Amino acid sequence: AQSVAQPEDQVNVAEGNPLTVKCTYSVSGNPYLFWYVQYPNRGLQFLLKYITGDNLVKGSYGFEAEFNKSQTSFHLKKPSALVSDSALYFCAVRETIKAAGNKLTFGGGTRVLVKP
Amino acid sequence: GAVVSQHPSWVICKSGTSVKIECRSLDFQATTMFWYRQFPKQSLMLMATSNEGSKATYEQGVEKDKFLINHASLTLSTLTVTSAHPEDSSFYICSAVEHEQYFGPGTRLTVT
Repeated sequence: AQSVAQPEDQVNVAEGNPLTVKCTYSVSGNPYLFWYVQYPNRGLQFLLKYITGDNLVKGSYGFEAEFNKSQTSFHLKKPSALVSDSALYFCAVRETIKAAGNKLTFGGGTRVLVKP
Repeated sequence: GAVVSQHPSWVICKSGTSVKIECRSLDFQATTMFWYRQFPKQSLMLMATSNEGSKATYEQGVEKDKFLINHASLTLSTLTVTSAHPEDSSFYICSAVEHEQYFGPGTRLTVT
């Protein structure tokens, strides 16, 4: 069974400082990895995904994530955080085997608070 | 592209009544849609997989007779919460699949 862990419930960072949101995963095969952001009372917005290829993936709003197979991690990063980045962030994994369908398994979420 | 809508965005209903939530893929066809439930400050919990033209597949612990799912067309899936109780109050989110999952904006259900 696949699983995702986001070890931090909340991350606090000052505006302009680098932001990192951690994610580790466990799957039996090769993973598809995703990051989503959720603003209050809204659905999930797609930020980026890793399928194959370059381990550094660039996504929306200046976010990027680095796939590390040996550490089974997919940490989300932004070089300079904005107050507007304050939101709830979810990491998700999907197995590439056909039998798994398109089911995503989500981490518990990390709340990011960027202070001015 | 790949826009998913939900209706209503919020609903208040009385205990014992039923409420229907619609999920539509606006610019693509989706043979598969998913329904999630999210409690405050928690992650998304997959409730069921909705397949067009066939019965939904429910996750373990989800009552299929309480949460009725109908995927009548390639652009519409509905979730009906039957005989709602206050503990059903939650944020319900759907997603539709076109290669990847695209999420709707969610529906806030409050049962009084």
